[in-house]
Amino acid sequence: GAGVSQTPSNKVTEKGKYVELRCDPISGHTALYWYRQSLGQGPEFLIYFQGTGAADDSGLPNDRFFAVRPEGSVSTLKIQRTERGDSAVYLCASSPGLGDYGYTFGSGTRLTVV
Amino acid sequence: KQEVTQIPAALSVPEGENLVLNCSFTDSAIYNLQWFRQDPGKGLTSLLLIQSSQREQTSGRLNASLDKSSGRSTLYIAASQPGDSATYLCAVRPEGSRYQLIWGAGTKLIIKP
Repeated sequence: GAGVSQTPSNKVTEKGKYVELRCDPISGHTALYWYRQSLGQGPEFLIYFQGTGAADDSGLPNDRFFAVRPEGSVSTLKIQRTERGDSAVYLCASSPGLGDYGYTFGSGTRLTVV
Repeated sequence: KQEVTQIPAALSVPEGENLVLNCSFTDSAIYNLQWFRQDPGKGLTSLLLIQSSQREQTSGRLNASLDKSSGRSTLYIAASQPGDSATYLCAVRPEGSRYQLIWGAGTKLIIKP
């Protein structure tokens, strides 16, 4: 596609529910990143994929968070037993490979846990 | 631990003014620094990237400077326009990190017509 697509754009869920957030990167981009941005804060790194594998998941806050990229393209961030503190904008970015150029962000998914 | 701070958190100026946004970081061991723009409901857009060996980068009305030793960067916007209204974030890539960025919280800029 022309850009990084994230769906849904908004998600409201009840505390304790399971949610999935989807990221469709730019075609051919091998590197994919998930960030979380809380209100009034800068983005915080969650996980980085190179191809199909999670090369670095050190930013995932706990084991309720998990992400996959089974075919090296679309990625899904999964959150189990959601908590109110999980409310944030979840940003996805992709790039042709490692490096700082060609780093393209999606418009994010705003997750609200009530 | 690297920390990035942006001051002020918000800024409102009349159209046409030149302005400076500030970014500071606590650890000078960085590979590069980037300035991004974030519009409501849209993704982050990279504006300028300065390598650690560089002092400044320019793109149109934007000029970013880097003083690595003092842990500071500025983004200068000339002849501001209402379309420049957005949140501006800076991010550093620490030395030894091949991809992680450490971000400031941003400066929300409003340009009044």
